[in-house]
Amino acid sequence: DGGITQSPKYLFRKEGQNVTLSCEQNLNHDAMYWYRQDPGQGLRLIYYSQIVNDFQKGDIAEGYSVSREKKESFPLTVTSAQKNPTAFYLCASSIISQGVISGANVLTFGAGSRLTVL
Amino acid sequence: GQQVMQIPQYQHVQEGEDFTTYCNSSTTLSNIQWYKQRPGGHPVFLIQLVKSGEVKKQKRLTFQFGEAKKNSSLHITATQTTDVGTYFCAGKEYGQNFVFGPGTRLSVLP
Repeated sequence: DGGITQSPKYLFRKEGQNVTLSCEQNLNHDAMYWYRQDPGQGLRLIYYSQIVNDFQKGDIAEGYSVSREKKESFPLTVTSAQKNPTAFYLCASSIISQGVISGANVLTFGAGSRLTVL
Repeated sequence: GQQVMQIPQYQHVQEGEDFTTYCNSSTTLSNIQWYKQRPGGHPVFLIQLVKSGEVKKQKRLTFQFGEAKKNSSLHITATQTTDVGTYFCAGKEYGQNFVFGPGTRLSVLP
């Protein structure tokens, strides 16, 4: 079945530690995204990538880093510089289109990774 | 920058009652999407609206895109317990990424 796989589902981290969240998709989508979700808030864009070896900062990129070495993979590292990292992290992918093509720009989300900093 | 607001933040209804959530953007949108997130789950795409004044229906769900392409609504007729969850709108300006609203959390009492 095609989809997005995120791991781990739950993660605990001590302050000062970096942690990497995995995101893999087999949908052959060009674009991949990382969002952060906090209680009572919408999804906020951290980073996105439209092509291999290229990515752009979203609205809240500080304290995070990403890589896109393969089309299928878009891991997110939460660094110790992120002041309030406890959150629900969602990875998504989509077909890219500037026009109106059925299914274009529709986000398919993974199940999410819940990070808690102790 | 672009801001997307949703009202209400929470809505509690009795099963069988109707429900409406409203989405407003600070800027004109090229298109708008709606997603549903069940408790403990992840957002799932419901629909995308592109045309000014567009109305789309999915069974008991009716979606509208405003004439000025700055607002949208989702109406559920005769709610069921399976409708429980948080409904997000996401608005997109031309050439920009989607910006999500804060969501409306729907509770349905049996």
